[in-house]
Amino acid sequence: SQTIHQWPATLVQPVGSPLSLECTVEGTSNPNLYWYRQAAGRGLQLLFYSVGIGQISSEVPQNLSASRPQDRQFILSSKKLLLSDSGFYLCAFRTGRTNTGELFFGEGSRLTVL
Amino acid sequence: KNQVEQSPQSLIILEGKNCTLQCNYTVSPFSNLRWYKQDTGRGPVSLTIMTFSENTKSNGRYTATLDADTKQSSLHITASQLSDSASYICVVSLSNDYKLSFGAGTTVTVRA
Repeated sequence: SQTIHQWPATLVQPVGSPLSLECTVEGTSNPNLYWYRQAAGRGLQLLFYSVGIGQISSEVPQNLSASRPQDRQFILSSKKLLLSDSGFYLCAFRTGRTNTGELFFGEGSRLTVL
Repeated sequence: KNQVEQSPQSLIILEGKNCTLQCNYTVSPFSNLRWYKQDTGRGPVSLTIMTFSENTKSNGRYTATLDADTKQSSLHITASQLSDSASYICVVSLSNDYKLSFGAGTTVTVRA
């Protein structure tokens, strides 16, 4: 079966420190991968998406970056965190060569920057 | 301006009552529309999917409708339970884009 794992679940970091959130998918190959951020009481904001290894599309200018070193691994990073980076981060994947597949989400990572 | 609008933003209902959530979208070309349920602090989970030719789709006590002509969808919750307390998100997929369009969600609180 297809599964998605995201970690860490909770993270408290000081301003200026680095960040690394990891996401892995199992049970499928060549998925489309997504990173979203969800601010409190707000909708999901797409940060990055990837249709293949090394292919990253950024949606909004920000303090974050993403990488896809392996087919089923997606990493969200920052060199220096800002207070505004606090939020709930969700990794997701979708399979299939069409755009009709279900989007499966990880359990989320709550980041608090102090 | 968000191209997927949901209403109401939040609602409170008593256990056992019904409620209906609305989703209006303007994005195109339309591929399908999904309703997701997101429990607090968790990732969203798909409830239903509606394609262009489908009008109604049920999943237990959840029933979704779609009017592709007016670009409106609704999610009806029947005989609500405390476990229905969550955020419900409307998500539209386009036929020519890997990205999806999300509504801001409706927060449902069911009280005993």
